[in-house]
Amino acid sequence: DAGVIQSPRHEVTEMGQEVTLRCKPISGHNSLFWYRQTMMRGLELLIYFNNNVPIDDSGMPEDRFSAKMPNASFSTLKIQPSEPRDSAVYFCASSLRSGANVLTFGAGSRLTVL
Amino acid sequence: GENVEQHPSTLSVQEGDSAVIKCTYSDSASNYFPWYKQELGKRPQLIIDIRSNVGEKKDQRIAVTLNKTAKHFSLHITETQPEDSAVYFCAAWYNNNDMRFGAGTRLTVKP
Repeated sequence: DAGVIQSPRHEVTEMGQEVTLRCKPISGHNSLFWYRQTMMRGLELLIYFNNNVPIDDSGMPEDRFSAKMPNASFSTLKIQPSEPRDSAVYFCASSLRSGANVLTFGAGSRLTVL
Repeated sequence: GENVEQHPSTLSVQEGDSAVIKCTYSDSASNYFPWYKQELGKRPQLIIDIRSNVGEKKDQRIAVTLNKTAKHFSLHITETQPEDSAVYFCAAWYNNNDMRFGAGTRLTVKP
């Protein structure tokens, strides 16, 4: 298995532009997580899905952020409009099933909003 | 929600010495406690984990201890090597539905 695949790896955009980050979880994994990492706030859970259904999005900073998981092999995290304070590394992670299990992280998407 | 506190935020040791990182958690129902290592520019990767029915677990130079009564768990690295230099994160599963991370400890092993 290729592991959790994220794209793009790097994105530089201007304030106000729409940003879409993509994630392909490990095949057979039923849970998917989006985290944001910054120096100031560490690893923050944004949202997670079980069996493609969003379970908890309380970590999503504001309405500019949205996430979808249309099927078991694909998820997107969208920011519209983007702001400089959204600059961070966004990680997607998946686990075999819901509950206390090992998370496998993707390589991350480094977002810079100018 | 679950709150995971991690200390220290930075730790510098001499090669060959031991390193200890400590975490506390708030939700007494948490039952799974993994530790992740993140090298510069890389993704977090699991190095060891422990479940609540076990008090200690070892894997070569790495060990984790858990005190459920006190809601503490710790990572112990013995005979540290320069390649152990990284940021280490503890985590706790919250409400069996999501995982919360500590703020991280930057470990530097000086040769």
